[in-house]
Amino acid sequence: DAGVTQSPTHLIKTRGQQVTLRCSPKSGHDTVSWYQQALGQGPQFIFQYYEEEERQRGNFPDRFSGHQFPNYSSELNVNALLLGDSALYLCASSLNREQPQHFGDGTRLSIL
Amino acid sequence: AQTVTQSQPEMSVQEAETVTLSCTYDTSESDYYLFWYKQPPSRQMILVIRQEAYKQQNATENRFSVNFQKAAKSFSLKISDSQLGDAAMYFCAYRSALGGFGNEKLTFGTGTRLTIIP
Repeated sequence: DAGVTQSPTHLIKTRGQQVTLRCSPKSGHDTVSWYQQALGQGPQFIFQYYEEEERQRGNFPDRFSGHQFPNYSSELNVNALLLGDSALYLCASSLNREQPQHFGDGTRLSIL
Repeated sequence: AQTVTQSQPEMSVQEAETVTLSCTYDTSESDYYLFWYKQPPSRQMILVIRQEAYKQQNATENRFSVNFQKAAKSFSLKISDSQLGDAAMYFCAYRSALGGFGNEKLTFGTGTRLTIIP
């Protein structure tokens, strides 16, 4: 039973570029959440997708956008990259409100 | 807005001993969930234990147990018989139990780095 998978593992971009990160939820899960974890910090909630719609959003600018596909997989897009966007991006999936979220290994994004 | 505070950036314990990690939180809600997650160098966030606020009994998972003090808004994690594999960053997290779908965001503390001394 595959857990949450994220791709790519590492990514290096330059300022001003755009990036897309991908997440496949754990089998049977229908809700996907994205978190940004800066070095030495706890994860910060970006947004959550359920039924292909953004249901809740954290305090992140519109440069951060996402999408959920009919198979429940999800993408995180970041435009106009800034040096401060360098972080570990974690995807988490869950089945319903009663169950805890399961996390992937994350994508390490470095901005030069 | 809810906040989670972990006041111990680093802790260390001798192998086979017991260690307690502290967490406090602030919320005006009465119904919520609290979690402890472990993040080893492999980066994956692994659920250690969870507590429902409406339950008075403290949660226990094998060597891991919590001391949940709702009135004090305190949620500490006790690790008994510490093992080398317990070395990791430990994060305390809060989640509201109110609202409909989509109100499931986790609010994390800044973490405690636990070192196990052989």
